[in-house]
Amino acid sequence: KNEVEQSPQNLTAQEGEFITINCSYSVGISALHWLQQHPGGGIVSLFMLSSGKKKHGRLIATINIQEKHSSLHITASHPRDSAVYICAVAHMDSNYQLIWGAGTKLIIKP
Amino acid sequence: NAGVMQNPRHLVRRRGQEARLRCSPVKGHSHVYWYRQLPEEGLKFMVYLQKENIIDESGMPKERFSAEFPKEGPSILRIQQVVRGDSAAYFCASSPLDRSNYGYTFGSGTRLTVV
Repeated sequence: KNEVEQSPQNLTAQEGEFITINCSYSVGISALHWLQQHPGGGIVSLFMLSSGKKKHGRLIATINIQEKHSSLHITASHPRDSAVYICAVAHMDSNYQLIWGAGTKLIIKP
Repeated sequence: NAGVMQNPRHLVRRRGQEARLRCSPVKGHSHVYWYRQLPEEGLKFMVYLQKENIIDESGMPKERFSAEFPKEGPSILRIQQVVRGDSAAYFCASSPLDRSNYGYTFGSGTRLTVV
């Protein structure tokens, strides 16, 4: 079983819909990262969380340390949000070595 | 450009040749990390370097792969005698000493194709 699991693997939605991507992990962590990767493109760091909730524009990330679960939400989704969203955790014992989820491929249709 | 610069963006090598991938960290960042993304897979940690020091290379294959981060200049990931299985996207990230507060900045990656 992977240490970081994301769901869903693929998500297609209509423009304007509220999007939720989930991440569960099985190790003790010092931080959780949400990142965005466009096809053939680089990786952009969206959030780094160790507790609670963070908001940036239409993006919201939450984490529940007790349940070892995090969610990434996108409000008023837009076709330009189409990308792969990746959850990665920094292990408590080695906080520089990120353990990566497989990613969620999001397609927003106009 | 204040971000992490990786070059080249795309690199094609024949089997047996050497590949050199460069990563210039964000100005002021003294820590560099290399990750490899095989086709249809997630990223995997390869190596963590500080200036002139390899801190952790546990994710790097023991043979043919080496990395350095000299006092001056970019970090280099070097793959000798490349094989088809080395075809992947290689990402570099950098961070300041206090990554718990400032996190990582990633580069655009180098896509290596071995033919």
